[in-house]
Amino acid sequence: EPEVTQTPSHQVTQMGQEVILRCVPISNHLYFYWYRQILGQKVEFLVSFYNNEISEKSEIFDDQFSVERPDGSNFTLKIRSTKLEDSAMYFCASTGGRDYGYTFGSGTRLTVV
Amino acid sequence: RKEVEQDPGPFNVPEGATVAFNCTYSNSASQSFFWYRQDCRKEPKLLMSVYSSGNEDGRFTAQLNRASQYISLLIRDSKLSDSATYLCAPLAGGYNKLIFGAGTRLAVHP
Repeated sequence: EPEVTQTPSHQVTQMGQEVILRCVPISNHLYFYWYRQILGQKVEFLVSFYNNEISEKSEIFDDQFSVERPDGSNFTLKIRSTKLEDSAMYFCASTGGRDYGYTFGSGTRLTVV
Repeated sequence: RKEVEQDPGPFNVPEGATVAFNCTYSNSASQSFFWYRQDCRKEPKLLMSVYSSGNEDGRFTAQLNRASQYISLLIRDSKLSDSATYLCAPLAGGYNKLIFGAGTRLAVHP
């Protein structure tokens, strides 16, 4: 079964450092997403990406965040200057269309110290 | 009003029990709906889509009531392996943005 792959599975970083979280969506999918889940809280939408551009972003996705699809297979989330409150599980997801639901990657646990 | 509301539970049920979860959503323009299951510290996994006519997949039945803006999930003959958090997720917006509820926790005991 096709899957969404995320690396690394766990990243520890110092406050103020930049991090890049990587994702390889399912190859024939067209819509890509990043979500985050702070421990004990709900899964929150960050950003959607379609046709090589951001289609929608949430209030959480401020100027510190950016996404890129550099080579047609990878999909990255960059946090420029991490804060303690960025500590969360970050999930990448992709879908081929509206009726199919999303497939999520296994997530990257980001810990900011 | 929250976009998606679910009873957090936990629902503690014995094996073999039937259990039902409800979810209400605020965006009347939502067209597609899904139930996901999430195990502790894992990714959400698609359980089933919710069609307007209802949808059944083995022991799981999902129903949609557009007029009242709620969806439901029924689990029959609960198994220990059904223990998880069940997330309700309507689609919102033009680019298929899933909005998740906080989830309902189910604990099935022997």
